[in-house]
Amino acid sequence: QKEVEQNSGPLSVPEGAIASLNCTYSDRVSQSFFWYRQYSGKSPELIMSIYSNGDKEDGRFTAQLNKASQYVSLLIRDSQPSDSATYLCAVTTGGFKTIFGAGTRLFVKA
Amino acid sequence: DTEVTQTPKHLVMGMTNKKSLKCEQHMGHRAMYWYKQKAKKPPELMFVYSYEKLSINESVPSRFSPECPNSSLLNLHLHALQPEDSALYLCASSLPQGNEKLFFGSGTQLSVL
Repeated sequence: QKEVEQNSGPLSVPEGAIASLNCTYSDRVSQSFFWYRQYSGKSPELIMSIYSNGDKEDGRFTAQLNKASQYVSLLIRDSQPSDSATYLCAVTTGGFKTIFGAGTRLFVKA
Repeated sequence: DTEVTQTPKHLVMGMTNKKSLKCEQHMGHRAMYWYKQKAKKPPELMFVYSYEKLSINESVPSRFSPECPNSSLLNLHLHALQPEDSALYLCASSLPQGNEKLFFGSGTQLSVL
């Protein structure tokens, strides 16, 4: 069974710190990798996508992919209280099915 | 326009009612999805339409009936639901190639009494 694993948290970091969220996936043929942010009671919102090994930076966010280790991570620099949310790691393996991890709850303390 | 619009935002229905959830997107996406999300759980795929044809049905009970009238609209017809069907129902769209990022609507919070 294809799986995406995340630590459920909560991950608590002080304001201004770097938050590091991690994700592993089981299917070696996984092709596309995404991080979605979901505030409580709201819908998921895409914040990062990554398709090849290495780092991808977008503002305060950096996604890292290591296909050999089947590992995806998201770094949030200069964390703000508004970053407090659940972060869903998601993986596709071809076709229209996206497999979501259970999510990591992040809490940024002011 | 980068929005996926869902209506209604909240819905309370009895087990004998018939209701419909609606979703509209104007991003030119030809793949549209229904997901169900329970509290503190990840979204679960229910249905996928590609070019207005049903592409995936994740063994969803027949009390949920999807419809894709055109490339911009997606409906989910509900009939004889159970209390355990109470959840956040999310519509999403994407480019039709597969392996694509999803754009979610704001969701319909459904309560079945």
